[in-house]
Amino acid sequence: DTEVTQTPKHLVMGMTNKKSLKCEQHMGHRAMYWYKQKAKKPPELMFVYSYEKLSINESVPSRFSPECPNSSLLNLHLHALQPEDSALYLCASSHYTGGSYEQYFGPGTRLTVT
Amino acid sequence: DAKTTQPPSMDCAEGRAANLPCNHSTISGNEYVYWYRQIHSQGPQYIIHGLKNNETNEMASLIITEDRKSSTLILPHATLRDTAVYYCIVVPMNTGFQKLVFGTGTRLLVSP
Repeated sequence: DTEVTQTPKHLVMGMTNKKSLKCEQHMGHRAMYWYKQKAKKPPELMFVYSYEKLSINESVPSRFSPECPNSSLLNLHLHALQPEDSALYLCASSHYTGGSYEQYFGPGTRLTVT
Repeated sequence: DAKTTQPPSMDCAEGRAANLPCNHSTISGNEYVYWYRQIHSQGPQYIIHGLKNNETNEMASLIITEDRKSSTLILPHATLRDTAVYYCIVVPMNTGFQKLVFGTGTRLLVSP
């Protein structure tokens, strides 16, 4: 199983809502990532978890709150978002073997903030 | 900050080889060259990576110049399904995780 799943596929939320994005992998990968991708732009790294510990926060606003409850699951909690936060949110996972990585990406959650 | 330069777009005829160049003149000795692609409305997909030797897998070949300042991704027989944005990314060696900094990539259009 080389799949990263993300739910939901689409999400529309108001600026006062609280919602969560979910990401799951069963490949035994110990690093998991959140990226944000605006339309016609490349993905931008937001957070990296390594062995369930937050290793990188790329100065992401606190209205985005990541959580890694276990090695297979990664959540992104959303609160008080702005319309400019509308984007495709991608999750990925990776494992270090033999001096190299290969990140596996999910299909993304397309978020619209109204 | 992206450390690579790629042409914004390229065209290729179906069945022909697609050669996608990438400049990474500031690459350091412990950095790898990785290639990912993103087909429209999908998450990025790993293609291949290398340190200094040429590499080949079932998807593509990667040719790295001897001075490591540039590389070329080769899709030997491009198909319509290879239409995508191709990203060349320089990544430092790290045993815990991999920090990918995507540049603007090359939009490859494969036509019949």
